[in-house]
Amino acid sequence: QQQVKQSPQSLIVQKGGIPIINCAYENTAFDYFPWYQQFPGKGPALLIAIRPDVSEKKEGRFTISFNKSAKQFSLHIMDSQPGDSATYFCAARYSGYALNFGKGTSLLVTP
Amino acid sequence: DAGVTQSPTHLIKTRGQQVTLRCSPKSGHDTVSWYQQALGQGPQFIFQYYEEEERQRGNFPDRFSGHQFPNYSSELNVNALLLGDSALYLCASSLAISTGELFFGEGSRLTVL
Repeated sequence: QQQVKQSPQSLIVQKGGIPIINCAYENTAFDYFPWYQQFPGKGPALLIAIRPDVSEKKEGRFTISFNKSAKQFSLHIMDSQPGDSATYFCAARYSGYALNFGKGTSLLVTP
Repeated sequence: DAGVTQSPTHLIKTRGQQVTLRCSPKSGHDTVSWYQQALGQGPQFIFQYYEEEERQRGNFPDRFSGHQFPNYSSELNVNALLLGDSALYLCASSLAISTGELFFGEGSRLTVL
């Protein structure tokens, strides 16, 4: 059973646009929600992470919005660039246990 | 500072064979986790090692086994390979006492024919 559901599966935006990737979870015990970026042939790299006591977190051009009551969180990429083209994964975990990943979103930023 | 290193990067096996994948964690990290990433999917947790013991295990059969050495490096062994075992195997390291950030290696691409 997929514990973290991610959408959309793929996304195309123009340079400068703001792609938004959404994730939903069921387990209210989850206490850590990271986003990972993966380029072809590489392992996932941590972009940004949030805990449920915070509704928003920004790091550079990346922002996580977190809605605890709806059990949803999303990634926004401001002023997107062609170099942001990659696969993005949301994940969730509770209290030191393993990360549960979404299925990923393939993002293409066109020039 | 070396990150997580994995070997081999690519390998091809036939059904029924056995494979061993290796991982060296990021310097200073003491916990190693293994994930399987099928093509077009998110990583799936296999197991985690800390202090040379398996601490957690995902929903994988006993054909998947592992080991952690005193220097914190780790091996993943898969016996009786099936076609469905073809995937990218990712090793991730972390500090057991940390907030949970995982650092991933670039993976070992296993193809089973």
